[in-house]
Amino acid sequence: ELKVEQNPLFLSMQEGKNYTIYCNYSTTSDRLYWYRQDPGKSLESLFVLLSNGAVKQEGRLMASLDTKARLSTLHITAAVHDLSATYFCAVRGTGNQFYFGTGTSLTVIP
Amino acid sequence: DSGVTQTPKHLITATGQRVTLRCSPRSGDLSVYWYQQSLDQGLQFLIQYYNGEERAKGNILERFSAQQFPDLHSELNLSSLELGDSALYFCASSQGQGANTGELFFGEGSRLTVL
Repeated sequence: ELKVEQNPLFLSMQEGKNYTIYCNYSTTSDRLYWYRQDPGKSLESLFVLLSNGAVKQEGRLMASLDTKARLSTLHITAAVHDLSATYFCAVRGTGNQFYFGTGTSLTVIP
Repeated sequence: DSGVTQTPKHLITATGQRVTLRCSPRSGDLSVYWYQQSLDQGLQFLIQYYNGEERAKGNILERFSAQQFPDLHSELNLSSLELGDSALYFCASSQGQGANTGELFFGEGSRLTVL
């Protein structure tokens, strides 16, 4: 079974700082997704990464994919309080199944 | 708004009871997925349907069952409820096999509280 690991699980950072969340997965996959979840709310799609070397940016968030290393990163630039949420990465496996990481709970401190 | 509709949004019931959660996927999406998210837990995959057929099972208890109907809406039935079944249940849909991005679109969830 495909395994997806995220780290860190918890991240507390000051406003204005940069940080990176890592997502490793165990077997080959052609699609990687990042989602954001606010407490008690639904999951919102942030990025879809479809190929090796793919990089996507939206505001202060940038996601990248290295399929050879089976690694995706979500980089946060100059964090602001509004970015506080839980971030999940997910990998699509065979049979159109999706495997989610455990999530990274991000708290941005003023 | 993702286009995925889940009802009810909130449900409070007693142990031993049975409930049904309903999901309407986005227009045109053939695949429906059910996930369970307990407090401080990640997303636990329960079951997947594609165009009315079961495609994959995850950590779904025998007390739970689901189906996808010809109009593509899906229902998740939870029976003999226990306190530990209290959770947020998400439905998600995607276009299905062969789709371009294949991303999942999540509903707002059904929060189940078992007392």
